[in-house]
Amino acid sequence: AQSVTQLDSQVPVFEEAPVELRCNYSSSVSVYLFWYVQYPNQGLQLLLKYLSGSTLVESINGFEAEFNKSQTSFHLRKPSVHISDTAEYFCAVRYYSSASKIIFGSGTRLSIRP
Amino acid sequence: GAVVSQHPSRVICKSGTSVKIECRSLDFQATTMFWYRQFPKQSLMLMATSNEGSKATYEQGVEKDKFLINHASLTLSTLTVTSAHPEDSSFYICSARDLDAGDFGGYTFGSGTRLTVV
Repeated sequence: AQSVTQLDSQVPVFEEAPVELRCNYSSSVSVYLFWYVQYPNQGLQLLLKYLSGSTLVESINGFEAEFNKSQTSFHLRKPSVHISDTAEYFCAVRYYSSASKIIFGSGTRLSIRP
Repeated sequence: GAVVSQHPSRVICKSGTSVKIECRSLDFQATTMFWYRQFPKQSLMLMATSNEGSKATYEQGVEKDKFLINHASLTLSTLTVTSAHPEDSSFYICSARDLDAGDFGGYTFGSGTRLTVV
């Protein structure tokens, strides 16, 4: 079955510390990968995506994620977090074979402590 | 950039009544829209795929007679929760696919609708 696993439901870190949010997907077929961020009572905003090419993708606000095909992972990282990064982060995958639909992971709540 | 407007943002209704939620793509055409449901502190669960001019495709376990989806134009899809009950209380989010963005991207999400059934 197609699925996305985010192992950490919550990740507390101190401001300016580095962070990694883990994401693994189950598939042996080609995929498109996404990270979305959700602030309280809001919809989702696309943070970054991997479609093809370079396995390291970056967002405009300092996040990056690396596609690792052998480990079927797409972990999200940031070298130094800010209070404003406090939000829920969702990893998502779209499989080549599944037409248009996107499958989401269970989400990771990132809380930043001053 | 692509914008999806979802309305209303919050709605409270009485048990047994119906509620309609609208999802509009403001500056692009969307042949396909998606409806998700999100329970507190949980992920988004895809309910159905809405295709302009044809019947929606529902995910397994989603009652199509309870969650009516209409996609009458390239910019509007509606989700109607019929005979709502308290267990239908949830956060509903729509997503639209931008044709001009090609096949690879362009999934824009609405801001969500918080439905509370009392």
